[in-house]
Amino acid sequence: ETGVTQSPTHLIKTRGQQVTLRCSSQSGHNTVSWYQQALGQGPQFIFQYYREEENGRGNFPPRFSGLQFPNYSSELNVNALELDDSALYLCASSRNPSGTTDTQYFGPGTRLTVL
Amino acid sequence: DAKTTQPPSMDCAEGRAANLPCNHSTISGNEYVYWYRQIHSQGPQYIIHGLKNNETNEMASLIITEDRKSSTLILPHATLRDTAVYYCIVRGLSSSGSARQLTFGSGTQLTVLP
Repeated sequence: ETGVTQSPTHLIKTRGQQVTLRCSSQSGHNTVSWYQQALGQGPQFIFQYYREEENGRGNFPPRFSGLQFPNYSSELNVNALELDDSALYLCASSRNPSGTTDTQYFGPGTRLTVL
Repeated sequence: DAKTTQPPSMDCAEGRAANLPCNHSTISGNEYVYWYRQIHSQGPQYIIHGLKNNETNEMASLIITEDRKSSTLILPHATLRDTAVYYCIVRGLSSSGSARQLTFGSGTQLTVLP
């Protein structure tokens, strides 16, 4: 059983640019959640995708958007990058979001630096 | 989801048991206690979760008090590789159309000393 993978590992962008981060979910999982972790803080929930639709969102502006594909992989897109977007972006996959304990398994993360 | 309180840091000698406490006094009946850990700059790693009974797996044991207001994660024989930030999270069941995200606090920095 393959785990959650993310790409790229590291990324450097400049303010105002756009970025796309990718996540492949663990085999058998149909739900992907994205988190942002600023330096020295715990991860903060961005949004979750289930069956290719957004299934919940945290307190993040609309310039954070996502997609989920039929194979359950997912993308996180951030437009108009700001310096404060510099963080570790984490993807977590799980089996079913409804009526279960839905344990989430995390990928290694993508380190984004905005200059 | 209920709020949790953890000590900011703990030390443990290598080979000894590490006991990490967590208070969750406002937990409700259908909320689970989850533990994750995060080794520096890596993704969080799932450790264990439970509702009201004590749980054990290959990584750790979870002891939940009878009133469910607190819990303890036990690493029976800590090694240097167990040095990490440990997060205690209380989380309810997902419902149709509603995501159940993990709400991370500051966690406990466990340092295993040689």
